[in-house]
Amino acid sequence: RKEVEQDPGPFNVPEGATVAFNCTYSNSASQSFFWYRQDCRKEPKLLMSVYSSGNEDGRFTAQLNRASQYISLLIRDSKLSDSATYLCAVNMYQANQAGTALIFGKGTTLSVSS
Amino acid sequence: EAQVTQNPRYLITVTGKKLTVTCSQNMNHEYMSWYRQDPGLGLRQIYYSMNVEVTDKGDVPEGYKVSRKEKRNFPLILESPSPNQTSLYFCASKQEVRDTQYFGPGTRLTVL
Repeated sequence: RKEVEQDPGPFNVPEGATVAFNCTYSNSASQSFFWYRQDCRKEPKLLMSVYSSGNEDGRFTAQLNRASQYISLLIRDSKLSDSATYLCAVNMYQANQAGTALIFGKGTTLSVSS
Repeated sequence: EAQVTQNPRYLITVTGKKLTVTCSQNMNHEYMSWYRQDPGLGLRQIYYSMNVEVTDKGDVPEGYKVSRKEKRNFPLILESPSPNQTSLYFCASKQEVRDTQYFGPGTRLTVL
């Protein structure tokens, strides 16, 4: 099983739609979780941290399900400007490192059209 | 402004010609990393450093070297670049291991 997995998409949705992405992780001892947004040929930028109680930032909601080992990102009322690749990232213990490392999923591509 | 900078942003070179990609952060972060990003493979960590003079291999270290002589700088060195090192490279930093990371703008490297 890969460490962090995401559905690569693409997700093609109309403006105003609600879209949800899931990301599963393999290490149940993982401690911190993040969603990043990456525009084409640009650097990933932090969108949200994911807290155990779930958290919301405007149209974006992130949730963590430790029992099933996944995190989710919900985008409501999609805008054209939401078109990007969304990467989940999980801090997990790495056997070949002195502690934890931030492991990224391969990303889910979202395309919002008018 | 808090940021991670990389130079050069774009580089085309030939096989075997040594090159260095610089990375600098102004946030006094202890932890720095280098990643490469390739289509279908996502972000893969090359090397990381937990503090000055402390570096270690990530998932794909072959063909790369790094150094951390100062806290703010973490250069990536390709002693003898090969075409399979053509990629988009990102430097990143964070204060503590469990924190989120801040990425530099990326360096697009082409090795002919």
